[in-house]
Amino acid sequence: KTQVEQSPQSLVVRQGENCVLQCNYSVTPDNHLRWFKQDTGKGLVSLTVLVDQKDKTSNGRYSATLDKDAKHSTLHITATLLDDTATYICVVGDRGSALGRLHFGAGTQLIVIP
Amino acid sequence: DMKVTQMPRYLIKRMGENVLLECGQDMSHETMYWYRQDPGLGLQLIYISYDVDSNSEGDIPKGYRVSRKKREHFSLILDSAKTNQTSVYFCASSFRQGSAETLYFGSGTRLTVL
Repeated sequence: KTQVEQSPQSLVVRQGENCVLQCNYSVTPDNHLRWFKQDTGKGLVSLTVLVDQKDKTSNGRYSATLDKDAKHSTLHITATLLDDTATYICVVGDRGSALGRLHFGAGTQLIVIP
Repeated sequence: DMKVTQMPRYLIKRMGENVLLECGQDMSHETMYWYRQDPGLGLQLIYISYDVDSNSEGDIPKGYRVSRKKREHFSLILDSAKTNQTSVYFCASSFRQGSAETLYFGSGTRLTVL
């Protein structure tokens, strides 16, 4: 059973618009949650890491929230650019060390159009 | 510039042939990973290596083996490739500093088994 569910599966927005990507998970324990950006044909690049029970992070136009009680995270992208076109992947770590497992979502494909 | 390099980028093999996928990192990271990515699924862990000759099975190790004789190199071997091993394979390495762990991914190897 998939332990990390992302929604929507795909999303099309116009350049300049804001968007919100969702991640729900059932991983236990949930030590931390990461958001990655994957450009087509490329590897994953880390955007942010959330650790606390109720956490918020900000990285330029990207901001993220985590609520461990609800097992839910959001990734907000403000004023989208064409270069934001990519797949965004939510990953939950079940321990704080390399011995822990990372549980990957299937990703949300974001397409930004002019 | 911290980097994980995968070779080759694209590979086509016939069923039953042996396959060698290579991964290198220039950061002296102890921990390295091999994942595969299939459409509609999250990345799945094949093997994890904690250091030279210290390898552990991931979630889907069947049909694969690994080799890590130097800290900077981690190879994935498919003895007698099968068509269901057609996938995109990602190598990653991780570095821990205090409570923070950073992951670096390679650009992937797209393997097609005919």
